[in-house]
Amino acid sequence: AQSVTQLDSQVPVFEEAPVELRCNYSSSVSVYLFWYVQYPNQGLQLLLKYLSGSTLVKGINGFEAEFNKSQTSFHLRKPSVHISDTAEYFCAVIPISGGSYIPTFGRGTSLIVHP
Amino acid sequence: DAGVTQSPTHLIKTRGQQVTLRCSPKSGHDTVSWYQQALGQGPQFIFQYYEEEERQRGNFPDRFSGHQFPNYSSELNVNALLLGDSALYLCASSVDRSSYNEQFFGPGTRLTVL
Repeated sequence: AQSVTQLDSQVPVFEEAPVELRCNYSSSVSVYLFWYVQYPNQGLQLLLKYLSGSTLVKGINGFEAEFNKSQTSFHLRKPSVHISDTAEYFCAVIPISGGSYIPTFGRGTSLIVHP
Repeated sequence: DAGVTQSPTHLIKTRGQQVTLRCSPKSGHDTVSWYQQALGQGPQFIFQYYEEEERQRGNFPDRFSGHQFPNYSSELNVNALLLGDSALYLCASSVDRSSYNEQFFGPGTRLTVL
């Protein structure tokens, strides 16, 4: 079984400041890792994903994430946030082996960007 | 391209009733997954449909059932509704069953059980 822990339920930040949203996971098998964003009253949109290769992954809207296997982390970063980045962010994992592709999501981090 | 569409947008039911939610996948997608997102929580996987059959199922009771039609659209049925079933129900579609292919999510159906 897998579990995902998003360490901060809410992250307030000022516009143009950098931000890091933390995600740690636990799994007995290798996993694929994802970050999704959910704007109010909308579904989830994929920001980026790590499947293999370079541990630094770049996504849409200037976001990037780094996979750290030893620390089982996949933190999301942006060097300069905008008001429009205010949203809920979800980290998710999907097991690679075993034939089961059931995703596990974290509880989400609310990013609040202040002017 | 309309993307993933879901209906209705909002729904209010009482305990014990039954509900049907509908989803039309993005054009070109043949796999549909359903998720339950309780308030303040992340989405929880309910099940996935491919070729009109349930292919994977999360930890949800048999009260939750589904169907996929030949045009790839899908329905989620919940029987004997409980207060705890109140949530946002999300539908996601993808080009196939592979876990690493991007899922496109619909806006969801907000179900309130009174």
